[in-house]
Amino acid sequence: EVQLLESGGGLVQPGGSLRLSCAASGFSFSTYAMTWVRQAPGKGLEWVSAISGSGGSTYHADSVKGRFTISRDSSKNTLYLQLNSLRAEDTAVYYCATGVGTKGSYYFDFWGQGTLVTVSS
Amino acid sequence: EIVLTQSPGTLSLSPGERATLSCRASQSVRSDYLAWYQQKPGQAPRLLIYGTSSRATGIPDRFSGSGSGTDFTLTISRLEPEDFAVYYCQQYGRSPPITFGPGTKVDIK
Repeated sequence: EVQLLESGGGLVQPGGSLRLSCAASGFSFSTYAMTWVRQAPGKGLEWVSAISGSGGSTYHADSVKGRFTISRDSSKNTLYLQLNSLRAEDTAVYYCATGVGTKGSYYFDFWGQGTLVTVSS
Repeated sequence: EIVLTQSPGTLSLSPGERATLSCRASQSVRSDYLAWYQQKPGQAPRLLIYGTSSRATGIPDRFSGSGSGTDFTLTISRLEPEDFAVYYCQQYGRSPPITFGPGTKVDIK
């Protein structure tokens, strides 16, 4: 059974940093692209970042480019998202998900339950 | 960037009725790379349809997807009580960026 468990969310001040983690199990982690999708309170879904199975290619939405970094550690079956220079508009539930496809063109077949990031002073 | 528009914003129907949800893209979606997700309150999204019309594993056949180019449809043939939720379309044909529609809420009439 595929399981994705996010952690690392919390309350952070504007301008601060956080690192989110997503522990994966139940599938061959290194063969799957992975992604982060966020959802602001009461709003829709917004794709944030994606990384290829090998980790050699990464993709970021313009809204987070230069501030967020996606990475993965296949030895730990874990996906990460480093969030820097956080803004109030980054407040959201952050979901990790498995990606199917190639070269940044993915749909998402398995999702974690999400971790809440709140940016506020 | 491809912008997706979903209509209607809210669809009020009764169990047993047919639901037709629309997703329109601002540009043609390459290779019909269009997916649909269902999300219930407090839960993560669930993949329903990918590649415009292929059902994901375990998805009942009352869910079907169709369309091409810029116009896509999700149809739920007969609504079950568990189908009342928000539905999002997503394009992955011209990406990044991957984009989602704003969602259609299907609620009980």
